[in-house]
Amino acid sequence: KAGVTQTPRYLIKTRGQQVTLSCSPISGHRSVSWYQQTPGQGLQFLFEYFSETQRNKGNFPGRFSGRQFSNSRSEMNVSTLELGDSALYLCASSFTGDWAFFGQGTRLTVV
Amino acid sequence: KNEVEQSPQNLTAQEGEFITINCSYSVGISALHWLQQHPGGGIVSLFMLSSGKKKHGRLIATINIQEKHSSLHITASHPRDSAVYICAVSTGGGADGLTFGKGTHLIIQP
Repeated sequence: KAGVTQTPRYLIKTRGQQVTLSCSPISGHRSVSWYQQTPGQGLQFLFEYFSETQRNKGNFPGRFSGRQFSNSRSEMNVSTLELGDSALYLCASSFTGDWAFFGQGTRLTVV
Repeated sequence: KNEVEQSPQNLTAQEGEFITINCSYSVGISALHWLQQHPGGGIVSLFMLSSGKKKHGRLIATINIQEKHSSLHITASHPRDSAVYICAVSTGGGADGLTFGKGTHLIIQP
């Protein structure tokens, strides 16, 4: 069974640009959550999608958005990138209310 | 908002030692997760607990709901156990809105 796949693995962007990250959950999983990890703040919850609906949202500015498609694949978008957005972005999928499976993450560097 | 505290922040031990990592949280939860993160970033879920104790190989996780405290134990530690161990709590199960501790950086020396 394939794990959670995140693409791309590494990304370098310039301040002011926007970026889209992708997450393909484990087959059959309908819940996808996104997290940001930085050295200063650690891991922080961004948002969670379930059956194409955003079910929960963390405390991040509106520049951070996401969506989920009918096949459960999810994308997150960050607009008007800032240096502080440099981080490891992780997604996790779960079936419903059980074990969370994490992807390898996308390391975003904003220069 | 749930506050999650882990201790110690850093731990260096010799191969074979018994390791304990602690996690405390401030408000009621539906589940507590123990995660392992190796250099490079990928996270592996080790345990999800809502009560009692679970064991997987050399790893044991316990939780005391009344005291809002959990421990992760590693028996017969090995250098390959070197990683960051992260405690996370949820109120809705699964990966929904996890709140994370800062992590414990464990190094096992041969």
